[in-house]
Amino acid sequence: QKEVEQNSGPLSVPEGAIASLNCTYSDRGSQSFFWYRQYSGKSPELIMSIYSNGDKEDGRFTAQLNKASQYVSLLIRDSQPSDSATYLCASDSSGGSYIPTFGRGTSLIVHP
Amino acid sequence: GAGVSQSPSNKVTEKGKDVELRCDPISGHTALYWYRQSLGQGLEFLIYFQGNSAPDKSGLPSDRFSAERTGGSVSTLTIQRTQQEDSAVYLCASELIVAGGETQYFGPGTRLLVL
Repeated sequence: QKEVEQNSGPLSVPEGAIASLNCTYSDRGSQSFFWYRQYSGKSPELIMSIYSNGDKEDGRFTAQLNKASQYVSLLIRDSQPSDSATYLCASDSSGGSYIPTFGRGTSLIVHP
Repeated sequence: GAGVSQSPSNKVTEKGKDVELRCDPISGHTALYWYRQSLGQGLEFLIYFQGNSAPDKSGLPSDRFSAERTGGSVSTLTIQRTQQEDSAVYLCASELIVAGGETQYFGPGTRLLVL
């Protein structure tokens, strides 16, 4: 059973702080990893993808991948109340499957 | 269109009735996925279409669920003899293959309530 695990939270951080969201995955053959943001009552929106070990930065967002530890993280710098949402981690599947595996998401609350 | 569209946005039905949910993917996207998301839960994969290949139906929860994709574009998810446990948000996503990976774009979803 291929799994992507996330702490459901909520993770509460003050405005301006760094929010750190973590994710582990079980399929060692996974190559692609994604972070989606989902506002309450809305559909998921892709915010970051990462394919190589190390860091990938896009504006206030940094995705980090460590394939040896099977660990993916998302850092949000200068957190804003508008960042409050559920963040879904997803990985592709090895073995020729095109079906991604999603975590259940971490709820982030950024309070003023 | 600019994005993935789904209809209806909301559907209330009585137990035992059949429902059809529609998805219009982004033009040119060859891959299309259906997911189900229950309140507070993650995304549950239902079915995957890729071009003219046979769909991957491995996520369909029962034989009451079926889906088709006509002309490689619009897709319809049909739930027969609906049950209360079918109540959920049904999400469609189309996928673009880009250099180095793939990106899924989600539609707004259909919120299904079975009474």
